[in-house]
Amino acid sequence: DAGVIQSPRHEVTEMGQEVTLRCKPISGHNSLFWYRQTMMRGLELLIYFNNNVPIDDSGMPEDRFSAKMPNASFSTLKIQPSEPRDSAVYFCASSLGSGTGFQPQHFGDGTRLSIL
Amino acid sequence: GQQLNQSPQSMFIQEGEDVSMNCTSSSIFNTWLWYKQDPGEGPVLLIALYKAGELTSNGRLTAQFGITRKDSFLNISASIPSDVGIYFCAGQGGKLIFGQGTELSVKP
Repeated sequence: DAGVIQSPRHEVTEMGQEVTLRCKPISGHNSLFWYRQTMMRGLELLIYFNNNVPIDDSGMPEDRFSAKMPNASFSTLKIQPSEPRDSAVYFCASSLGSGTGFQPQHFGDGTRLSIL
Repeated sequence: GQQLNQSPQSMFIQEGEDVSMNCTSSSIFNTWLWYKQDPGEGPVLLIALYKAGELTSNGRLTAQFGITRKDSFLNISASIPSDVGIYFCAGQGGKLIFGQGTELSVKP
């Protein structure tokens, strides 16, 4: 079975550039989550979608970050303009459920982002 | 906000030894999850716990959902070199909140 698929696996770009991270959730899952992982702050939830609708974006650091889910099989996380402090590993996860009734989340292998 | 305290932060053990790690919180959770993360990969689900007091095993792994719903532990018996990695607890009451991780090193 295909798991959560993220692309690219690695991205190195200069500050000020636009960065787009992509995610394909597990087929049939109706919830999608974007996380950021750093040494200092660990795994932080940025935003999650349920049935393609953004439910909670309180973890999005600032207006430079935006996420979309145009359909059930695709989501993007965009940073514009990017800054060196955005360097981190970004994970996408998917699950079944909504509200407090989520099934366990399954994670992709992440995108390692380096902003120079 | 909700926080999880996971301990220990790191462990260095000999192959064959048993390992124990735990998570505590000031908040109540409906579900406790344990994940393992290998370098360059995403967290992989090991065990999910859904009821207070529940004790669940998965091979050499055993985890329990605390009676108060504010804590959980994970035990690994007879450790082997491939157990090396970072183990995360996660509590779910709405959002999934992660502990800081326990980095396990196993010496052959």
